[in-house]
Formats: sequence, C-alpha cells, structure tokens
Amino acid sequence: GESVGLHLPTLSVQEGDNSIINCAYSNSASDYFIWYKQESGKGPQFIIDIRSNMDKRQGQRVTVLLNKTVKHLSLQIAATQPGDSAVYFCAERLTGANSKLTFGKGITLSVRP
Amino acid sequence: GAVVSQHPSRVICKSGTSVKIECRSLDFQATTMFWYRQFPKQSLMLMATSNEGSKATYEQGVEKDKFLINHASLTLSTLTVTSAHPEDSSFYICSAPSAGGPGNQPQHFGDGTRLSIL
Repeated sequence: GESVGLHLPTLSVQEGDNSIINCAYSNSASDYFIWYKQESGKGPQFIIDIRSNMDKRQGQRVTVLLNKTVKHLSLQIAATQPGDSAVYFCAERLTGANSKLTFGKGITLSVRP
Repeated sequence: GAVVSQHPSRVICKSGTSVKIECRSLDFQATTMFWYRQFPKQSLMLMATSNEGSKATYEQGVEKDKFLINHASLTLSTLTVTSAHPEDSSFYICSAPSAGGPGNQPQHFGDGTRLSIL
C-alpha cells in the first residue's frame, strides 16, 4: 500500500494489500491520539488509540505508530478489505478525558476488489 | 460498550425555523459532551463543549446565540440551531467521553444529524 499524507485526499489500495495512512499532528503538547473511521452518513467510529508514552500499539489488523519527534502518526491496516473503505481521521488531545479533540483533515481509503 | 444516541438523524425544514438536536449517552454519564459540525468532504470542526450544570464553551467564530446548547442532565445535551438558514445546512455530530476510568478514554460519537434548510 501507499503512504500518503493528509494533504492527499484519497488512497486507493488493492484488496488484500496493506494500507498506510499518515497524519502530521499540530500540537506538541498533545498526549493522546486516536484514529477514527467514518462511513458515509455516520459518525466517526473508534479504531485505535495511543498515548504519548508509547510509540506503537497493535489491534486487530491495525497498528498505530507514533513519532513524537516529528509529530507524526500513522495507521497501518493489514490485508485491507472492501469493508475498510471509508474516510479516516486522526485526532489529537491534551491530557484529560474531558479535553477536546482536534481532528486532522481526513483521507478517503478506497479498496479495489 | 458505551453508546451515544443522537436524534433526529435527519431534518429538512424551511428557512427561519429553529431546530433542536438531542444527544444522549445511553449507558454512562457524561458531564461533558462535544458538538461538531462537518461540511461535505471536510473534517469535523468542534463547535462547542457542553458542560452539565454550567454554560457551554464555544469555539472561536461560533455564535452562541445562534447555536444554543443545554446540558440538561448527565445523559442529555441539546443543540438548538435558532432561525436556521441555508448556510446552516450541515452534518452535526455530538460526542461524549466514556466514563469508567481515569485519564484518557476515547470519545464516543453519535451517528450525526443531517440538517437541510430549504
């Protein structure tokens, strides 16, 4: 799969390939990061999160990598499936459960059958 | 798991109408909820933070008299778009941080309200 920044609106991958979605976050004081998936007409759906004291976290078919030095976050999706087609957003937050989230611009993932 | 319910899912109304959108946390209490607006092919933009028992905190550029927020209870926040005009047409989404633990917990989002002003 391709690695793209959020300034590119669409990522197209072949079904079964791995996808890598990148995000450059803005606030060096942010200590919590989340990836969301949004399908058409629905609210964002939580995928995976990571705290600033970690640099990698794995879930089911997904991995999030955090590089605080360059304020970079990535989402890796293994064996991409048609159901993964959606818009993906990264979000950052300061400490505290009630702190507000700041969303990145989003990227559309399109999976080719 | 925690669920946030938003109602209605879609509203179509005439210009000048006021529209109320409800956001409920179904199995947890939320002293704070957030309201976002999302235009087509754009990201979510935070409008305001709804605080139970106190006034909402609005983001810069959001008119508080236009977008009235009431956090009536620990499970309900409402957003009222007053005297709506076509430019207010958008997708409005609420979220609430999940209770059940200290520190960082993910926010849970409603499924949004599609507001169309004719």
